[in-house]
Amino acid sequence: EAGVTQFPSHSVIEKGQTVTLRCDPISGHDNLYWYRRVMGKEIKFLLHFVKESKQDESGMPNNRFLAERTGGTYSTLKVQPAELEDSGVYFCASSPIWTVPTYEQYFGPGTRLTVT
Amino acid sequence: AQTVTQSQPEMSVQEAETVTLSCTYDTSESDYYLFWYKQPPSRQMILVIRQEAYKQQNATENRFSVNFQKAAKSFSLKISDSQLGDAAMYFCAYTGTYKYIFGTGTRLKVLA
Repeated sequence: EAGVTQFPSHSVIEKGQTVTLRCDPISGHDNLYWYRRVMGKEIKFLLHFVKESKQDESGMPNNRFLAERTGGTYSTLKVQPAELEDSGVYFCASSPIWTVPTYEQYFGPGTRLTVT
Repeated sequence: AQTVTQSQPEMSVQEAETVTLSCTYDTSESDYYLFWYKQPPSRQMILVIRQEAYKQQNATENRFSVNFQKAAKSFSLKISDSQLGDAAMYFCAYTGTYKYIFGTGTRLKVLA
């Protein structure tokens, strides 16, 4: 079974540019989550999809961030325009709808975003 | 709001020795789950161990065990017989629903 994949692994962009990160969850996982880790700090929740619907987007920093999950499969996270403080590692995770809750999430390797 | 604190940014352990990583959390919820995740260099995070708050018995997975003190809101990870492959960033995480609240992580170095 393929794990969660993220693309690209690294991205270096200039302030003001646009970047789109992609996450492919484990097949069949209806829950998809985005998190971000700014250097040296904790990993913070950004948002949660159930299939194609945004269940919780309370962690999205501002309206420069737009997440989509068309068709309930892969998800994209677009940052437009990027600012210096957007630099960090963006993690995607997925999980199934549990019949018996375990709350385990399966993480991708992350996308390291550097805004210069 | 829930918080998770890992007070040890970095720890070192000699191969074959035992090390304990600390984690404390704060919540007003009574039902929740706690996790330790491991992120090896340049690789994805994987689950090490999980503890359900309603269970009094400490979780154990092979060389990994936890000391869960619910009243003290403490959730430490003990790694016995440390191996070179245990070198990684370790994150403590809490969830009461779906989203995780993470600590800042502890980098574990294993010395040969």
